[in-house]
Amino acid sequence: DTAVSQTPKYLVTQMGNDKSIKCEQNLGHDTMYWYKQDSKKFLKIMFSYNNKELIINETVPNRFSPKSPDKAHLNLHINSLELGDSAVYFCASSQFTGSQETQYFGPGTRLLVL
Amino acid sequence: AQSVTQLDSQVPVFEEAPVELRCNYSSSVSVYLFWYVQYPNQGLQLLLKYLSGSTLVESINGFEAEFNKSQTSFHLRKPSVHISDTAEYFCAVSADRGSTLGRLYFGRGTQLTVWP
Repeated sequence: DTAVSQTPKYLVTQMGNDKSIKCEQNLGHDTMYWYKQDSKKFLKIMFSYNNKELIINETVPNRFSPKSPDKAHLNLHINSLELGDSAVYFCASSQFTGSQETQYFGPGTRLLVL
Repeated sequence: AQSVTQLDSQVPVFEEAPVELRCNYSSSVSVYLFWYVQYPNQGLQLLLKYLSGSTLVESINGFEAEFNKSQTSFHLRKPSVHISDTAEYFCAVSADRGSTLGRLYFGRGTQLTVWP
């Protein structure tokens, strides 16, 4: 039973294309996140949704647009892909209980822009 | 804001030797601390966490970490490593959701390589 799943696992595309990455969690969590891991393996948060509402929106180009159709899904759409978008994108989810929470990560989507 | 420093980018060690991966953090509020492990070409897996209570926390595969508030550290240790422990290890910190909205701040990772 996969807790946090992402599709596709690998994505190779040309510059200028538009692509989407999907994320689903079956943990019943109320919060979902997108992180970007660059070529030096540094992880940084991009977006967070709580109960389908955007709560974190870091300094990310507006070519990136997250969408949360329901609490269990958080998709990431990227317009006009650029070479610098090549990275591994991780989805995560958590449940806010009081003031503490633990984030669980998906397997990642490896995006390569040519 | 919170930040995390992993002092060693690479740690090579022989099989069955002990290892320590260092992690220091800075924060103006109380924090929660995590170690995640990333095996080659895989996602992040939670290894262990400190939320409250005992400052020494353990994982099921023999790793342990100790929260040291005075030294703002959360070093990861294992008394005897296996080749299968070869992976990238990330230290991360979060704070009360009211102050950070649940953001996790990651260190830059430590590549542990275990040699036979």
